[in-house]
Amino acid sequence: GQNIDQPTEMTATEGAIVQINCTYQTSGFNGLFWYQQHAGEAPTFLSYNVLDGLEEKGRFSSFLSRSKGYSYLLLKELQMKDSASYLCAVMDSNYQLIWGAGTKLIIKP
Amino acid sequence: DTAVSQTPKYLVTQMGNDKSIKCEQNLGHDTMYWYKQDSKKFLKIMFSYNNKELIINETVPNRFSPKSPDKAHLNLHINSLELGDSAVYFCASSQDWGERPSEQYFGPGTRLTVT
Repeated sequence: GQNIDQPTEMTATEGAIVQINCTYQTSGFNGLFWYQQHAGEAPTFLSYNVLDGLEEKGRFSSFLSRSKGYSYLLLKELQMKDSASYLCAVMDSNYQLIWGAGTKLIIKP
Repeated sequence: DTAVSQTPKYLVTQMGNDKSIKCEQNLGHDTMYWYKQDSKKFLKIMFSYNNKELIINETVPNRFSPKSPDKAHLNLHINSLELGDSAVYFCASSQDWGERPSEQYFGPGTRLTVT
């Protein structure tokens, strides 16, 4: 079967750095997406990785290792507004997105 | 200016009723989706349409029927509502599907409560 694993919840301090991991086992691979979802709101796109390596976008970076079936989202200089759920999603060989359950990130002052 | 809109935002109804949720996107995208997000926040794809044609039809009860009158609209009709249908339903759209994966833009969601 297809599986996406992420930690359920993480806590970090304002101004710090946090890394959210995602491991996947899917039927084929056509890219990995990270989305942010604030409570009661819709998911919004953060990043897309299809090749191995690090993609940097401001305070957020996303890393992919296809051989290990592994990705992480790195958030720097954490702000209170970064408190949200972070969803990892993998596009399989049928170009269908398989979603993880999300990681709830709690930022403390 | 809303990119992907859904109506209604909240829907409270009784078991056995039939209801519809409407979705419209003004992004000029070719592909639209319906997702269900349950209380555990797990997003599950239900349907996907590309240029008005059904391309993904996951294992959902046939009480759920999508309708795409044109590329900009994808409505969801639900017959004989059950308690387990209570969830947040998200509509989404993307520019492409298939060999050119693109990000999905989500609507604000419809919170359905069946009593």
